[in-house]
Formats: sequence, structure tokens, C-alpha cells
Amino acid sequence: GAGVSQTPSNKVTEKGKYVELRCDPISGHTALYWYRQSLGQGPEFLIYFQGTGAADDSGLPNDRFFAVRPEGSVSTLKIQRTERGDSAVYLCASSLTMDTANTGELFFGEGSRLTVL
Amino acid sequence: GESVGLHLPTLSVQEGDNSIINCAYSNSASDYFIWYKQESGKGPQFIIDIRSNMDKRQGQRVTVLLNKTVKHLSLQIAATQPGDSAVYFCAEKINSGNTGKLIFGQGTTLQVKP
Repeated sequence: GAGVSQTPSNKVTEKGKYVELRCDPISGHTALYWYRQSLGQGPEFLIYFQGTGAADDSGLPNDRFFAVRPEGSVSTLKIQRTERGDSAVYLCASSLTMDTANTGELFFGEGSRLTVL
Repeated sequence: GESVGLHLPTLSVQEGDNSIINCAYSNSASDYFIWYKQESGKGPQFIIDIRSNMDKRQGQRVTVLLNKTVKHLSLQIAATQPGDSAVYFCAEKINSGNTGKLIFGQGTTLQVKP
């Protein structure tokens, strides 16, 4: 597609449930990032993939959060036993190569808004 | 500790005036800085970046200034237009290497009055 695509755009779930959020990066982009943005705050780094491997997962808040990118393209962010505090917009971004990964030219999707009741 | 912050949560300017959005950072090891624009319901959009070995960088209607002495970053928008209304974030990268980890500030809302 023309840009980074994220699904679902909105997800409402109950406390304790499992959710998956999907990111389809720009075709050919090798680097993929997940960020979380709470209301009125800036995006908070979660994890960064270079190809299929997680190059930096230092931002994942706890072991309920996990992300995969098995074929080096689409990525899925998985949240187990959701809590109300997980409510936020989850942003995915991609960049072309490692060189541009070292710049700020990340291309963001419109995010998946997660609401945990 | 590490922090990237913005001085004012909201900035209101008249259409056609110049806008200046400020940002303070605390980590002297940061060597790369970026400004993003985020419109309602959308993801952040890259505006301009600057490396720590520079003091100033210009783009189309935008200029970023970096003062490493006081750890201050600013974004200047010339001839502000209604389409510039958005939230603006500064972000930093520490020792830019093989990671895409950016630390974002809380954002400044720019309101452009017609």
C-alpha cells in the first residue's frame, strides 16, 4: 500500500482479554517500530524490528506484551491479560533501511486505538 | 534522568505570523533531534531533523535551531497557515546507532487563528 496500515483502527475489549494489533509496513521497508501513545502524551517506544528480529525491545512494559514479525514484513503486537492501563493508541512505523532507521524519517500509521473496559 | 519536554502546551498564533515552538532536553548524550507534526487522528509526520554537530537547519518554511549549551531545541514556522494547526513533538535519539528508539516530548498544540 501507499502507507503504513494498521488494523483494527479501534478495539474495545474487556479487562483480562487477549488482543492482537496488526501492522502492515510500507513495502520494502526493513525496519519496523511500535510505539504507544496515551492521551495528551508523546509516543512512547515499545520495540524495534530490523528484518525479522527484534533489535531493541527495551520499551515493552512487561511480559504481557509481545511482538512478532515472522517474515520481515507484517508485524503483530500481542497483549495478554489486558489491563485498563493498557488503553492507548498503538502506533506502528516503518523506515526503508538501517540508514534511515538512524534518522528520524519514520513513516507512521494512523494507529490502533485500544480501549480496555 | 532522560526527558524531552516542551515549554508550552498550547501556542496560538495569527495566520501569516511566524511560530516558534520550544523544546528542552536533559540528556547531553543525545546526538540527533527530530520534529514531528501530528494532526488529530493521524500518526506523527516527520518535519525536519538536526544532528548535534549542527546549530541550524532549514527546510521549506521551517527552521530548527539547536543550542547544546542549554540543551534547547526550537522549531520556527514561517508564515503560519491554518494547515499548520496540529500537535508538534520534538524527539531525541541518544548516540544514534543501530536502534530506532526515539524519545518524544509531550507535545505543543499549535492553533492558527484565521
